[in-house]
Amino acid sequence: KNQVEQSPQSLIILEGKNCTLQCNYTVSPFSNLRWYKQDTGRGPVSLTIMTFSENTKSNGRYTATLDADTKQSSLHITASQLSDSASYICVVTLSGGYQKVTFGTGTKLQVIP
Amino acid sequence: EPEVTQTPSHQVTQMGQEVILRCVPISNHLYFYWYRQILGQKVEFLVSFYNNEISEKSEIFDDQFSVERPDGSNFTLKIRSTKLEDSAMYFCASSYRGPGYGYTFGSGTRLTVV
Repeated sequence: KNQVEQSPQSLIILEGKNCTLQCNYTVSPFSNLRWYKQDTGRGPVSLTIMTFSENTKSNGRYTATLDADTKQSSLHITASQLSDSASYICVVTLSGGYQKVTFGTGTKLQVIP
Repeated sequence: EPEVTQTPSHQVTQMGQEVILRCVPISNHLYFYWYRQILGQKVEFLVSFYNNEISEKSEIFDDQFSVERPDGSNFTLKIRSTKLEDSAMYFCASSYRGPGYGYTFGSGTRLTVV
């Protein structure tokens, strides 16, 4: 069964600190993996997208890594800000056909002053 | 930056009533989607729509649900007879080349069935 598991479920960090969120998937055949940020009550917004051949991608203070062999990805947030408080969702797309998408359960991050 | 627009932002309806959720996708996009997110749970796929027909739907998308693109700009989700468990955030999304190339989500409609 195609699954995307994220850890931790929730995380509280101090402003200015770094953190790393994890995503493990069993989706196959793999096309790409995206990390989304979802503010409370809002739609998800794409942060990064990574294909099979890419193992790192940065977007400002966000850096995503991908290990396609172990089917793991991480999202590293550097120098966290209060505005980083949100849910972070890992989304994996299967290749072929209509490219079915599987959403992860999300990690709820709270950055406190 | 182009946006996907959803209306209303919040809808309260009585159980058994019909509701229509509206979306205006990005103008040059060709693929349209509805997702839902029950409070505290993960985002779930409902249906995808391409070339004026449903291309894929999940087991959630039963006969109570229907989608329509009545004109060149709107994309609607109709729930015929709402149930309490239909209470959720409903997100519309659109993409130019299919979900594998990324899509843009709207801000959602919070549906509350009482």
